[in-house]
Amino acid sequence: EAGVTQFPSHSVIEKGQTVTLRCDPISGHDNLYWYRRVMGKEIKFLLHFVKESKQDESGMPNNRFLAERTGGTYSTLKVQPAELEDSGVYFCASSQEWVRPPEGPYFGPGTRLTVT
Amino acid sequence: GNSVTQMEGPVTLSEEAFLTINCTYTATGYPSLFWYVQYPGEGLQLLLKATKADDKGSNKGFEATYRKETTSFHLEKGSVQVSDSAVYFCALSDKNRGSTLGRLYFGRGTQLTVWP
Repeated sequence: EAGVTQFPSHSVIEKGQTVTLRCDPISGHDNLYWYRRVMGKEIKFLLHFVKESKQDESGMPNNRFLAERTGGTYSTLKVQPAELEDSGVYFCASSQEWVRPPEGPYFGPGTRLTVT
Repeated sequence: GNSVTQMEGPVTLSEEAFLTINCTYTATGYPSLFWYVQYPGEGLQLLLKATKADDKGSNKGFEATYRKETTSFHLEKGSVQVSDSAVYFCALSDKNRGSTLGRLYFGRGTQLTVWP
């Protein structure tokens, strides 16, 4: 079974540009999460989808970040315009809890974003 | 609120030594608890988890027991190997509308290095 996949693995952009990160969860997982780890800091929650609905977006830092999950499958996270402090590793995770025991959350390999 | 306090690293051990990484938590409800591991150059991998008090999670020789009375979830392994060298993260997941897999709150991570 394929795990959580993320694209791209690395992205280097200039301040003010736009970047879109993609996450494909494990097939059948209704829950999809975005996290990020800024250099030297903790891994922080950004938001949580249940299918196509935003269950919790309290971790989104500001309105430059937009996440979507149309159709309840893959998700995108867009940063527009990017700022220097957005640099870090962005992780996606998925889980399926309506089984016993609950599955996951399982994380993808992450996208390393560098804003110069 | 919810938070995780994890033993500061780095931890350096000789092969076959006993490992303990302490983790305590603060939570408003009855969270699920997790240990994730990040090997060099890779993403986060779910190592083990426990979803209710007194449950023991185990995987690859690692164990952790959910202790509600001490709000702890310490990670242990009886005999570490060089291949266990990685960063270990303790995390909790709060409940969300009755679910058990809401957002994760992470500890800062503990770097483990095992020498032959």
